[in-house]
Amino acid sequence: DQQVKQNSPSLSVQEGRISILNCDYTNSMFDYFLWYKKYPAEGPTFLISISSIKDKNEDGRFTVFLNKSAKHLSLHIVPSQPGDSAVYFCAASADNDMRFGAGTRLTVKP
Amino acid sequence: DVKVTQSSRYLVKRTGEKVFLECVQDMDHENMFWYRQDPGLGLRLIYFSYDVKMKEKGDIPEGYSVSREKKERFSLILESASTNQTSMYLCASRTTGTLAKNIQYFGAGTRLSVL
Repeated sequence: DQQVKQNSPSLSVQEGRISILNCDYTNSMFDYFLWYKKYPAEGPTFLISISSIKDKNEDGRFTVFLNKSAKHLSLHIVPSQPGDSAVYFCAASADNDMRFGAGTRLTVKP
Repeated sequence: DVKVTQSSRYLVKRTGEKVFLECVQDMDHENMFWYRQDPGLGLRLIYFSYDVKMKEKGDIPEGYSVSREKKERFSLILESASTNQTSMYLCASRTTGTLAKNIQYFGAGTRLSVL
């Protein structure tokens, strides 16, 4: 029972263009959402988050959008850089319960 | 910076062996977690601990146990390793402070192969 789904296992983007990573969830009790980035041979690192009371949070080149009615969130990276190539996990939490998606491998080509 | 250290990056064990995976964090975090990461399945929670000597089962605890005798250390134990436990194991810690309580900090992972 995957409560958090990332339906695209991989995404390839040209350097300088926008990367859009998507995530869907099923549990309406989730009230906090996070994106993690994982490089090979390293653990996931926290990237950006959003509370359910907001619909957008921006941090430099990274913006997370939340559509609660659609139970959908997305991560926008503008402009994409080769160093952004990694696996991105979305996560959703309610109280002490946190669920992760399967991850999307982003490749940014020079 | 928060540091979560997992004692081994790679481990190769035989079926039936008892395996210990160690994790240490240096930020005095109350909560600690063990996950396994498998292709197409994301991170699945095995066990977590809210504080010293406390432990709670996650989604896939079968075949595993944990120990938390000190606040900074959380150990995952495979009592009798099996080939289906071949995976990447990730340890994480988290504070209970209000603003940051949702953010977990991860170690680099231990890739375990059971032959």
